[in-house]
Amino acid sequence: LAKTTQPISMDSYEGQEVNITCSHNNIATNDYITWYQQFPSQGPRFIIQGYKTKVTNEVASLFIPADRKSSTLSLPRVSLSDTAVYYCLVGDISAGRRALTFGSGTRLQVQP
Amino acid sequence: DAGVIQSPRHEVTEMGQEVTLRCKPISGHDYLFWYRQTMMRGLELLIYFNNNVPIDDSGMPEDRFSAKMPNASFSTLKIQPSEPRDSAVYFCASSFGGEVSPLHFGNGTRLTVT
Repeated sequence: LAKTTQPISMDSYEGQEVNITCSHNNIATNDYITWYQQFPSQGPRFIIQGYKTKVTNEVASLFIPADRKSSTLSLPRVSLSDTAVYYCLVGDISAGRRALTFGSGTRLQVQP
Repeated sequence: DAGVIQSPRHEVTEMGQEVTLRCKPISGHDYLFWYRQTMMRGLELLIYFNNNVPIDDSGMPEDRFSAKMPNASFSTLKIQPSEPRDSAVYFCASSFGGEVSPLHFGNGTRLTVT
């Protein structure tokens, strides 16, 4: 089972860059890495997905080293509205339940 | 696109009553998932369907829980009889079954069983 490990919580201030790392030592060759964001009283929302190296979109960047045993979600210049729980998942639907299991996530608190 | 639509948004019921939660997935998506979220256990995958067929229901807590997907645009999660420990937020999600297709979640149904 490709278990993921993330820090339970992180604190930051507005305007700073935040990096959240996820460890996934047992990642399989075909596995993608997907990050979700969840606000209170809402369902998780897709942020970014990648397979290797670096992926960037309008919201975040995802860095994946060559061995793919970890990944780092980077949020540039966070604001108060980035306060949320962030989850990383490994795999895709074809992998079944193991790729659909959310861990505890990382609770990011952004302060003024 | 309207996204995944869940109803009701909130449900309060008494122990022993039947509860039915509803979900309309995004049109064209062929996977549908039911999750439950509590403070103690986090997000738990209960069951998921592919092309209206249940694929994995190993996360369904017990026989009191059942889920159906009669067609591609509708699914229900039923709890009968309900118990206070079933109180949680229930999320439905859908996805197109491509390799890199993420999950799209609804806003959930907050269930309170008294």
